[in-house]
Amino acid sequence: GAVVSQHPSWVICKSGTSVKIECRSLDFQATTMFWYRQFPKQSLMLMATSNEGSKATYEQGVEKDKFLINHASLTLSTLTVTSAHPEDSSFYICSAEPGGTNEKLFFGSGTQLSVL
Amino acid sequence: GENVEQHPSTLSVQEGDSAVIKCTYSDSASNYFPWYKQELGKRPQLIIDIRSNVGEKKDQRIAVTLNKTAKHFSLHITETQPEDSAVYFCAASNNGGNQFYFGTGTSLTVIP
Repeated sequence: GAVVSQHPSWVICKSGTSVKIECRSLDFQATTMFWYRQFPKQSLMLMATSNEGSKATYEQGVEKDKFLINHASLTLSTLTVTSAHPEDSSFYICSAEPGGTNEKLFFGSGTQLSVL
Repeated sequence: GENVEQHPSTLSVQEGDSAVIKCTYSDSASNYFPWYKQELGKRPQLIIDIRSNVGEKKDQRIAVTLNKTAKHFSLHITETQPEDSAVYFCAASNNGGNQFYFGTGTSLTVIP
């Protein structure tokens, strides 16, 4: 099946710094990628939909200036958590959709962010 | 927007018994319903999916049913095994919105 690579898998940073997370589709082109946040023992919360070559679509309540998304190519989307604070600590996970036409979703391995 | 509800939140069954997880959705435009299994600390894995033009789909011990009129769909796992223990998520999506909305998850424990 399709492979989605996400890096880093774990990052610890100081409060006030910015962290970039990468999501790559390794063997397919993804015009659409999705970014989620997941708290322990809770569901995936969609943060934003990343569209190649255009601005991301953010879900209600998600600060676009806080969570910067760049989808510069058909195989790479990045999420930058700017000026991270302890409350941003969470598991962030991306997914990509081959063909961008409501096909199956494939998930990255997730990034555990800990902000001190 | 779409609202997906999932029940139960936790489920314990004896090995060999069946497990059923139910989801409801609100947007009648949703037409694709995948189920994911997520083991602790790992990525969700697609286990089965169903489209709105189908009422039931089966893959070995796993089956999914869809009732479009009632806007609910269910995951059925038969002859459960300890390795089935995980968190299961349902989701709903539509072509137009191209977004996936997830249920709240069900933590399944299969007792040996």
